[in-house]
Amino acid sequence: DIQMTQSPSSLSASLGDTVTITCRASQSITSYLNWYQQKPGKAPKLLIYAASNLQSGVPSRFSGSGSGTDFTLTVSSLQPEDFATYYCQQSYNVPRTFGQGTKVEIK
Amino acid sequence: QLQLQESGPSLVKPSETLSLTCSVSGGSISSTSYHWGWIRQPPGKGLEWIATIYHSGNTDYSPSLKSRVTISVDTSKNHLSLRLSSVTAADTATYYCAREPDGGGYKFAWGFDYWGHGIPVTVSS
Repeated sequence: DIQMTQSPSSLSASLGDTVTITCRASQSITSYLNWYQQKPGKAPKLLIYAASNLQSGVPSRFSGSGSGTDFTLTVSSLQPEDFATYYCQQSYNVPRTFGQGTKVEIK
Repeated sequence: QLQLQESGPSLVKPSETLSLTCSVSGGSISSTSYHWGWIRQPPGKGLEWIATIYHSGNTDYSPSLKSRVTISVDTSKNHLSLRLSSVTAADTATYYCAREPDGGGYKFAWGFDYWGHGIPVTVSS
C-alpha cells in the first residue's frame, strides 16, 4: 500500500494568512495526488486534482504543487470558510489511500 | 447537476450484513468516463477507502475488508450498492459513495469529484 503522510496534523492561522500543508507519499505517485476540504458533518469536497489542477468552482486562493512523492497545498489569504480539515489522497494505485488530515483552526 | 444519495439502515447488529445503496441522478452510472466508489469515516477519524467499481465492471477492494465487502452497480436503476458482511463495532462510520473520473488507464483516477451526503451507520446490539 502507498502510505500518505500529511504535516502538520493541525495548525492555527489568522484571517488573511497564507498556509501550506504538505503531503508525502511512500513511493512515487507521479501527479496522481488530490486534495480535499472537509467541514464538520459534511462530505469531503475536491479542491485540487492531479496535484495542481483546480477543481471547477474552487476559489483561486487554493493551489497545489508537487510531483513524485512530495506535494503541497497552499491556501492564500485565508477566509472564514477555509477553516476546515484538509486531506490528501493518492489515485495512482489501489488501495486508494488518504493522508491523516490537517485541521486548520482560527488563531 | 450530478447528485448522489446514500440510503440504508442507520443501525446494524453485530455479525449481520450491512447493505447500502447510492442513487445517482443527473448523470448515468454507465458512463465510460467514470468509476464509482465507497469511502467511510469512523466518528472523529479520517477517511478510509472501501472499494471501487470501474466502468469496465472490474472491482477493487480494501485489503483489510476484501473478504467481507462487495460493490456492484445496477445500471437499470442507476445506482451503486455496497454489502459488508459480519459487521462489528469497528465498522461504525459514516459511509459515502463518490464518483471517480477515469485518469487515463490502468487504475489511475482524478480524485473523487462528487460525493453523497453520507449515511451514518452504527453497529450495535
